[in-house]
Amino acid sequence: DGGITQSPKYLFRKEGQNVTLSCEQNLNHDAMYWYRQDPGQGLRLIYYSQIVNDFQKGDIAEGYSVSREKKESFPLTVTSAQKNPTAFYLCASSTTPPGVGYTFGSGTRLTVV
Amino acid sequence: AQRVTQPEKLLSVFKGAPVELKCNYSYSGSPELFWYVQYSRQRLQLLLRHISRESIKGFTADLNKGETSFHLKKPFAQEEDSAMYYCALRGSQGNLIFGKGTKLSVKP
Repeated sequence: DGGITQSPKYLFRKEGQNVTLSCEQNLNHDAMYWYRQDPGQGLRLIYYSQIVNDFQKGDIAEGYSVSREKKESFPLTVTSAQKNPTAFYLCASSTTPPGVGYTFGSGTRLTVV
Repeated sequence: AQRVTQPEKLLSVFKGAPVELKCNYSYSGSPELFWYVQYSRQRLQLLLRHISRESIKGFTADLNKGETSFHLKKPFAQEEDSAMYYCALRGSQGNLIFGKGTKLSVKP
């Protein structure tokens, strides 16, 4: 069953700690994306990668980091430098060039406590 | 600048009434536009694309280049249409640029 999986579904982090969100896809998509979803803000692009070992900053990359060592995986690290990390994070993937748009994961809700 | 504007945060209609969710865009070149929907407790999913000119779940959207709009319409709203709707534009780098979304509430 092809799809995109995000884990964990809920994540709690203490202030000052880094935390890594997982995103895995078995759709054989070249491109992967991370968005942050906040109420009233829509989806804002954090990072994206169109090929293995390459990625680009999106609109709100500060305080985040990513890696793309494998085609299937695009983990996002929320660092202690991110001032307001509590949010819902969505991962997506697509073909390159994107054909029918994105396939989205079910999201990870990160809460800083 | 590449931008998508959804002017309404919340749209509330009664069942059976027509509904129109507005979307305007800013893009130099030939735009490619999408509507995505997120039902409660479900993942974001593609509703329709302008290039396919299809009708999904009774919804249609027409690209109006003169008015730079891609409004989503349905003649008779159903309660199950209640959801968050996002208009999106494919940016020059291939990534999707989303609007802030409109929450549609269809009352019985």
